[in-house]
Amino acid sequence: AQTVTQSQPEMSVQEAETVTLSCTYDTSENNYYLFWYKQPPSRQMILVIRQEAYKQQNATENRFSVNFQKAAKSFSLKISDSQLGDTAMYFCAFMKTMSGNTPLVFGKGTRLSVIA
Amino acid sequence: NAGVTQTPKFQVLKTGQSMTLQCAQDMNHNSMYWYRQDPGMGLRLIYYSASEGTTDKGEVPNGYNVSRLNKREFSLRLESAAPSQTSVYFCASSEWDIGGNQPQHFGDGTRLSIL
Repeated sequence: AQTVTQSQPEMSVQEAETVTLSCTYDTSENNYYLFWYKQPPSRQMILVIRQEAYKQQNATENRFSVNFQKAAKSFSLKISDSQLGDTAMYFCAFMKTMSGNTPLVFGKGTRLSVIA
Repeated sequence: NAGVTQTPKFQVLKTGQSMTLQCAQDMNHNSMYWYRQDPGMGLRLIYYSASEGTTDKGEVPNGYNVSRLNKREFSLRLESAAPSQTSVYFCASSEWDIGGNQPQHFGDGTRLSIL
């Protein structure tokens, strides 16, 4: 079974600074997807970024980027120029197949606070 | 542009009562999922339906039943609610196409309290 570990239960960052959230996972699969979801106080689950395991290039979405290290099974999220609206829970998630629909396996989350 | 709609948004039950959480999606997705979110635990899969007519257990299925009523709707039933089922429940849906798996779309969640 796949597992996802987020070792930082809480983090804080000053507005406009950069912060990195860590995620490691365990799997015997070779092809899979990784995701970061954001959950603000409104409780919505919002997709931030995704990475296909077969792609060597790290995914980027505006101020959000990942550092995907397949051999180390590491998938960290970097948030640049942090904004107050980035305050939220962040969940790392794993999807084990790239053909057909399968459920997500989530980490326990990191609560990020952006301080003015 | 509703996406995934869950009803109700909040519910309080007494131990032993039954209730059904409703979920509907308007994106023509084949797969639908039910997760529960507890403090410090992230989201855990209860049941999922890869396609209409099929359902499979997830990590924490005990105490729940599901029905994939049609392609749009996937309901979660608590037959005899227990305090341990106090949680926030999320429904999600997804699709796969030749471009690869598409991200799951989530509803806004149902906060359920069992007294």
